[in-house]
Amino acid sequence: QVHLQESGPGLVRPSQTLSLLCTVSGGSISSGGFYWSWIRQHPGKGLEWVGSIDYFGNTYYNPSLKSRLTMSVDTSKNEFSLKMSSVTAADTAVYYCARGILVLRSSNWLLSHFDFWGQGTLVTASS
Amino acid sequence: DIQMTQSPSSLSASVGDRVTITCRASQDVSRYVNWYQQKPGKAPMLLIFTASTLQSGVPSGFSGSGSGTDFTLTISSLQPEDFATYFCQQTYSVPYTFGQGTKLDIK
Repeated sequence: QVHLQESGPGLVRPSQTLSLLCTVSGGSISSGGFYWSWIRQHPGKGLEWVGSIDYFGNTYYNPSLKSRLTMSVDTSKNEFSLKMSSVTAADTAVYYCARGILVLRSSNWLLSHFDFWGQGTLVTASS
Repeated sequence: DIQMTQSPSSLSASVGDRVTITCRASQDVSRYVNWYQQKPGKAPMLLIFTASTLQSGVPSGFSGSGSGTDFTLTISSLQPEDFATYFCQQTYSVPYTFGQGTKLDIK
């Protein structure tokens, strides 16, 4: 059973950079066929895909956030990370890391669904 | 971006009821729609992927159907543990988007 666990500061000052880490256990992040992903949920609201990374380090970002995002993967530690710069109150949310399953569609490996999720971590952007 | 619109936004039902939640995509997403269940304070849990494939370990009372722009999630006989919020999601194109959610509570 794959387990994902988010970690990082729960409070970030506006204009600063949010940094989160997701540690994966029960499976290797170096196994092909997955997008390691971040999804966030604003308080009492719906879900928003933030971005994904494969174990090669190829990144796929939500265009609405792309200019502020950096994702990376550390296969030696079996973890991946998210950095979001210039945060505002609008970035206050529960951030989930998740494993995305890739399937072959029209000769390309593309995301199908998210099968395992971390428990989530609340990040508040406030002074 | 592809908009996913769920209906209803909330629903009251009783144990044993058959419930259907619908999700409409703003453009054709083929069959690349997933359904998740979320309980308060918990992460979403995958129920159905690619419109109709039941995720391993999910009770058979859950089923999904649809293609193109219209999709449904059906719970054949509500159990007490099924009262939760349900989200649809499209993975046809980036950015992957979710519906706004349907909150299912006890009548």
